[in-house]
Amino acid sequence: SQTIHQWPATLVQPVGSPLSLECTVEGTSNPNLYWYRQAAGRGLQLLFYSVGIGQISSEVPQNLSASRPQDRQFILSSKKLLLSDSGFYLCAWGGQGGTEAFFGQGTRLTVV
Amino acid sequence: GIQVEQSPPDLILQEGANSTLRCNFSDSVNNLQWFHQNPWGQLINLFYIPSGTKQNGRLSATTVATERYSLLYISSSQTTDSGVYFCAGGNQAGTALIFGKGTTLSVSS
Repeated sequence: SQTIHQWPATLVQPVGSPLSLECTVEGTSNPNLYWYRQAAGRGLQLLFYSVGIGQISSEVPQNLSASRPQDRQFILSSKKLLLSDSGFYLCAWGGQGGTEAFFGQGTRLTVV
Repeated sequence: GIQVEQSPPDLILQEGANSTLRCNFSDSVNNLQWFHQNPWGQLINLFYIPSGTKQNGRLSATTVATERYSLLYISSSQTTDSGVYFCAGGNQAGTALIFGKGTTLSVSS
């Protein structure tokens, strides 16, 4: 069966520091991969999605970037964090053609 | 892209009551899901239901694709049903689910 791993679970980082969040999927090939952010406990905002290695689409201009170095690995990064980057970050995978999506357990990021 | 509206935004129930949550879409979707967000933030898949009706225990969902809405029914609610319920839809291959703002359900004993 497919599983999705996301880490770390919580993270406290100072303003101006770099960020790297990692997400990996097991048990499937060529999945669509997504990063979402949830602020203030409501609503999930799509940040990035990827349909294949090296293929990244950005939905919202921001201080973040994403990369997909391997088929089942998706990384969210920032060179310099802002206070507004605080939030709950969720990685998800779904099959091709808009099939059911499944989410990781999320990373709660606090920028101080 | 599509827009997703959920109603009501907040719902307060007594244990044992029934409820209906609604999700409207601005355009046709070929992927529609309902999620429950637990107190730890994890999104739990409830239903994948681009059309038709499904049931799982006390929960059921119906999507009327031609009219661009979906309903989630919770019967005999329990305190453990509390949390935020999201619906999300997508309408093109390769694009992601777009989420509504959620319905916060509070069930008291």
